[in-house]
Amino acid sequence: DTGVSQNPRHKITKRGQNVTFRCDPISEHNRLYWYRQTLGQGPEFLTYFQNEAQLEKSRLLSDRFSAERPKGSFSTLEIQRTEQGDSAMYLCASSFARGSNQPQHFGDGTRLSIL
Amino acid sequence: KQEVTQIPAALSVPEGENLVLNCSFTDSAIYNLQWFRQDPGKGLTSLLLIQSSQREQTSGRLNASLDKSSGRSTLYIAASQPGDSATYLCAPTSHSGAGSYQLTFGKGTKLSVIP
Repeated sequence: DTGVSQNPRHKITKRGQNVTFRCDPISEHNRLYWYRQTLGQGPEFLTYFQNEAQLEKSRLLSDRFSAERPKGSFSTLEIQRTEQGDSAMYLCASSFARGSNQPQHFGDGTRLSIL
Repeated sequence: KQEVTQIPAALSVPEGENLVLNCSFTDSAIYNLQWFRQDPGKGLTSLLLIQSSQREQTSGRLNASLDKSSGRSTLYIAASQPGDSATYLCAPTSHSGAGSYQLTFGKGTKLSVIP
């Protein structure tokens, strides 16, 4: 169990550029979640995958955001035409898909800064 | 919509003191509640998961209680140490109609333990 891995740890980009983040969940975890955390706030839910299927998206996930989980393993989160308001920590979490009482395990996040 | 409040927002205590962090939530239809700690610039570390049918859960110096009907949880830390300094977040788990088990976070309590 190597934990949830996220890359890159930090991303600095100019407004209007596209960025992509990667999350490698704990192996055998079927459920994968993306959250966004801004300074001084708790994380907010963005989207959820069970295996390769994206089953839920938050209203926070505008059309500029897209997430994939090909083959039900790693996941990517892409933001197109980045805006200042996208600056945040993007967190990935995974859990087993056995019942409702499986803890979510988080990665260290990708911190995005928009210049 | 679930809303989570954590009191106090910040807490400073001398080393060795016992302390209690409070969490309240508005929707009692939860499956469980997780407590996390977050170190600056890092992701979330799961501390305890307390199921909706449980009233208490213990791990080492940590004890979490849950009163689901009144929408309250507490995290008790015994004999605090400087290494306990971090932000503590509580997150009840609710099931969405689309199938995800979503965590809803409070803003956290920032704990400083003074040597």
